Amino acid sequence: AQRVTQPEKLLSVFKGAPVELKCNYSYSGSPELFWYVQYSRQRLQLLLRHISRESIKGFTADLNKGETSFHLKKPFAQEEDSAMYYCALSGHGNNRLAFGKGNQVVVIP
Amino acid sequence: DAGITQSPRHKVTETGTPVTLRCHQTENHRYMYWYRQDPGHGLRLIHYSYGVKDTDKGEVSDGYSVSRSKTEDFLLTLESATSSQTSVYFCAITGTGNTGELFFGEGSRLTVL
Repeated sequence: AQRVTQPEKLLSVFKGAPVELKCNYSYSGSPELFWYVQYSRQRLQLLLRHISRESIKGFTADLNKGETSFHLKKPFAQEEDSAMYYCALSGHGNNRLAFGKGNQVVVIP
Repeated sequence: DAGITQSPRHKVTETGTPVTLRCHQTENHRYMYWYRQDPGHGLRLIHYSYGVKDTDKGEVSDGYSVSRSKTEDFLLTLESATSSQTSVYFCAITGTGNTGELFFGEGSRLTVL
């Protein structure tokens, strides 16, 4: 079974402060991990995936298989980062994505 | 926006009535999905399709059925709507070999009174 856990529901941070969204997963095989974002009045969209190892909009996430985690981080939050963030997992070769419960991020000016 | 549209975008109905939501894509993608989004539950997979007439259940499929008679359309039906099915429903698509990158529709907000 694929399971994703995002512990906090709401995260409020001041502009310029660091942001970290925690994501832990449970999967017996080789997982593929993703972060999706939903800005106000916009569609849910892919933010980044662990395979690409890239930084998108200043966000990074590192897959830690030992801790089964894929935390999302950004050193300096911006107001435009206010959004709903979902961690998601897909089993290797499996086209079904399991999502966490999401984190609402509010960046305070 | 990945050529995916949902209809209706908003619907209010009464308990016990049938409801059908439509997802239409112009990308010729093989995989299509229906999720529901609820506060405190995140996104949960209802049903998905991996080809015409090929569908399978997700984690919260009870009370829902789907059909895919052609590549571009994936229908979600609530045979007899209940208040617990009040939710925002999202359709998503992805192509073969593109595991994990789902393209989402704008969502359909359903209220069951």
